Amino acid sequence: DIQMTQSPSSLSASVGDRVTITCRASQGIRNDLGWYQQKPGKAPKRLIYAASSLQSGVPSRFSGSGSGTEFTLTISSLQPEDFATYYCLQHNSYPRTFGQGTKLEIK
Amino acid sequence: EVQLVESGGGLVKPGGSLRLSCAASGFTFSSYSMNWVRQAPGKGLEWVSSISSSSSYIYYADSVKGRFTISRDNAKNSLYLQMNSLRAEDTAVYYCAILGDGYNFDYWGQGTLVTVSS
Repeated sequence: DIQMTQSPSSLSASVGDRVTITCRASQGIRNDLGWYQQKPGKAPKRLIYAASSLQSGVPSRFSGSGSGTEFTLTISSLQPEDFATYYCLQHNSYPRTFGQGTKLEIK
Repeated sequence: EVQLVESGGGLVKPGGSLRLSCAASGFTFSSYSMNWVRQAPGKGLEWVSSISSSSSYIYYADSVKGRFTISRDNAKNSLYLQMNSLRAEDTAVYYCAILGDGYNFDYWGQGTLVTVSS
C-alpha cells in the first residue's frame, strides 16, 4: 500500500500569508495526486487534481506542484475563508490513501 | 447540477448490519466509477471502497474487506454499501463520492452518519 505522509499536521497563519503544505508518497505515484479542502461539518472539496491542475471554480491563489514522491499545495495569500483542513489523496493505485490532514488555523 | 444524496445511516449495535444508499443525478451515472469514503468523528478521511462503472472492478480497504459489499444499479442511478459485522470503529460519516482522479470532475455527497454502539 502507498502511504501518504502529510506535513505539517497543523499550521497557524495570518490573512495574507503564503503557506505551503507537503505530501510525501512512500513510492512514486507520477502526478496521481489531488488536494482537498474540508470545512467543519462539510464534505471535502477538491482544489487541485493531477498534482498541479486547478479544479474549476477554485481561486488562483491555490496551486499545486510535484511529481513522483513529493508534492506541495501552496496558498499564495491566505483569505479568511481558507482556514480549514487540507488533505492529499493518491489515486495511483488501490487502496486509495489520504494524507493525515493539515489543519490551518488563524494566528 | 451533480447531486449525490446518501441515506441509510443510523444507530446500530455491534455485530449488526446496515445498508447505505446513494442517489445520483445530474450526470451520466453509468459512465463513472463510484466510491465510499468515511470520516470517524474528529479524524481524517479514509477511503473505503470503489466500484467501476460496469461493476467489473471492485476494491476495498483492508479494514472493511470481508464485511462490507459495494454495489451499484445503473438503471436506478444508485450506489450501495452493505455493511455487516459492524464494529465500534466503523462509526463515521460515510460519503458517496466521484473521486475524479486525473479529471476535472470530482463530487461528494453530504454524508450519512453511522453510529455503532450498544
